[in-house]
Amino acid sequence: AQTVTQSQPEMSVQEAETVTLSCTYDTSESNYYLFWYKQPPSRQMILVIRQEAYKQQNATENRFSVNFQKAAKSFSLKISDSQLGDTAMYFCAFGLPDSWGKLQFGAGTQVVVTP
Amino acid sequence: DTAVSQTPKYLVTQMGNDKSIKCEQNLGHDTMYWYKQDSKKFLKIMFSYNNKELIINETVPNRFSPKSPDKAHLNLHINSLELGDSAVYFCASSPRGSGSSYNEQFFGPGTRLTVL
Repeated sequence: AQTVTQSQPEMSVQEAETVTLSCTYDTSESNYYLFWYKQPPSRQMILVIRQEAYKQQNATENRFSVNFQKAAKSFSLKISDSQLGDTAMYFCAFGLPDSWGKLQFGAGTQVVVTP
Repeated sequence: DTAVSQTPKYLVTQMGNDKSIKCEQNLGHDTMYWYKQDSKKFLKIMFSYNNKELIINETVPNRFSPKSPDKAHLNLHINSLELGDSAVYFCASSPRGSGSSYNEQFFGPGTRLTVL
């Protein structure tokens, strides 16, 4: 069974600064997908970024980028130029192809952006 | 043009009651899911349906019964509610569950269930 670990329960960052959230996972599979989801106070789950394990290039979406280290089974999220609207719970998730979309989520990291 | 909608958004009820949560998606997706988010924000899949067929059934008490009348709808009925059922329940959908290039899921706004 796959496990996803987020070791930082909460992180605080000032506006315009950069914050990095860590995520590690455990799997014996070689092909899989990794995701970061954001859950703001509104409760809505929003996909931030995704990474296919067979792609070596790190995914980026505007101010969000990942550092995917397959050998280390690490998938960190970097938020650059943090904005107040980035305040949210961030979840790392793992999925396998042909698994009917079953995602394994980490426990989440609460990010607080301060003025 | 809501993609995945759930009703109700809030539900407060007494122990022992039976309640239902409804979910609808207008994205044309084949696969739908129910997740439970507990008080510590931990998110865990409960069920998955593909074209009205039950695909994933995690270790969930049989007081929870999902029903999919068509592929755009997935409802969750809970019998004999217990205090521990208090949580936020999320519905989600994805284009195809199996063999997809990736498992991107689109979530509903969640239903906060409080059992007193």
